[in-house]
Amino acid sequence: GQQLNQSPQSMFIQEGEDVSMNCTSSSIFNTWLWYKQDPGEGPVLLIALYKAGELTSNGRLTAQFGITRKDSFLNISASIPSDVGIYFCAGRNQGGSEKLVFGKGTKLTVNP
Amino acid sequence: NAGVTQTPKFQVLKTGQSMTLQCAQDMNHNSMYWYRQDPGMGLRLIYYSASEGTTDKGEVPNGYNVSRLNKREFSLRLESAAPSQTSVYFCASRITGTPNTEAFFGQGTRLTVV
Repeated sequence: GQQLNQSPQSMFIQEGEDVSMNCTSSSIFNTWLWYKQDPGEGPVLLIALYKAGELTSNGRLTAQFGITRKDSFLNISASIPSDVGIYFCAGRNQGGSEKLVFGKGTKLTVNP
Repeated sequence: NAGVTQTPKFQVLKTGQSMTLQCAQDMNHNSMYWYRQDPGMGLRLIYYSASEGTTDKGEVPNGYNVSRLNKREFSLRLESAAPSQTSVYFCASRITGTPNTEAFFGQGTRLTVV
């Protein structure tokens, strides 16, 4: 089946630093999504991308839909302690059954 | 706003026992999904239902059955639990057929099979 390669697996940063993570796929997707999961909770949608090349921001978060449709990245600027959590990318090919394929996640730790 | 509600939140089963995980959404969404999350594996789709009365297999359906009871409710059943089914289970719902709408997730059911 389709797979997403998400990197890095984990990050340990100081408060105030910027963060970058990315996802790549061997398949083309028509939608890229970025979710955050806090401990003990379900994933919550951060940013949705629907067009190749699209760059979208949500506060301190910025994500881009790669021009090849096979990759996406998420940047977090000026990290704060509440950014701690696991970040997942997900892709969807609307030519199929509209099922989401998830990356394995990036675990972010922010040291105050 | 309740959103997607899963019950129970925690469960311990013995190998071979059966149980049903319940999921209900109050957002009038037509599609509902069951995922499992294992350490280092991300979320993997077990089953989904595009509309009331229809269900389809996802990536890892073996050992599970589902029922779309009505538009609001989508249950996941383990007929004979195995230790390999120890996982966190998430239900999600979404409006499909409407552009640029995405899934909402429940808080999860943490299942341990001993």
